[in-house]
Amino acid sequence: EPEVTQTPSHQVTQMGQEVILRCVPISNHLYFYWYRQILGQKVEFLVSFYNNEISEKSEIFDDQFSVERPDGSNFTLKIRSTKLEDSAMYFCASTPGRSAQYFGPGTRLLVL
Amino acid sequence: AQTVTQSQPEMSVQEAETVTLSCTYDTSESNYYLFWYKQPPSRQMILVIRQEAYKQQNATENRFSVNFQKAAKSFSLKISDSQLGDTAMYFCAFGKRNTNAGKSTFGDGTTLTVKP
Repeated sequence: EPEVTQTPSHQVTQMGQEVILRCVPISNHLYFYWYRQILGQKVEFLVSFYNNEISEKSEIFDDQFSVERPDGSNFTLKIRSTKLEDSAMYFCASTPGRSAQYFGPGTRLLVL
Repeated sequence: AQTVTQSQPEMSVQEAETVTLSCTYDTSESNYYLFWYKQPPSRQMILVIRQEAYKQQNATENRFSVNFQKAAKSFSLKISDSQLGDTAMYFCAFGKRNTNAGKSTFGDGTTLTVKP
């Protein structure tokens, strides 16, 4: 069964550094998402992406964040100048549309 | 805006017994989806079951079933014959159906422990 994949599974970075989280959505899916989950808290929506542009973004998704689909398979989340409070689990999700979103295994980001 | 409320932060059940997790939501939408996701200690998000609001019949997936009460905006998850592997955090989530790229809104989660 097709799955959403994410790399790396864990990332440790120093405060102020840039990180890129990578996702490969399910191949026939058209809509892509990033969510984050701070430890012990609920899953929060960051951004949705369709047809090579952002469809919707939350208040969390400020200028520090950007998304890109650099080729036909990858979907990336870039976090510039990371802060301690960016430490979280980041989930990528995809859907063919009007259906459930299928989540990747997540990237655990730790900012020191 | 949609809100999803899970009023039970923690629950426990004996192996082989049945447990019900509660979820209520608030929305002005008429066309939407509801989901239950399982998050085991590995923290992966696994889709357990989904319900389309226009369908009156409650969804079932093997040992998992829902009780969807649209008027009451209630969407509970019943796990029958609980297994140790069911131990996880369970999230209820809402998604709009009339928007292709609609985000999902999650509840705070319920931690379920299945005891041997």
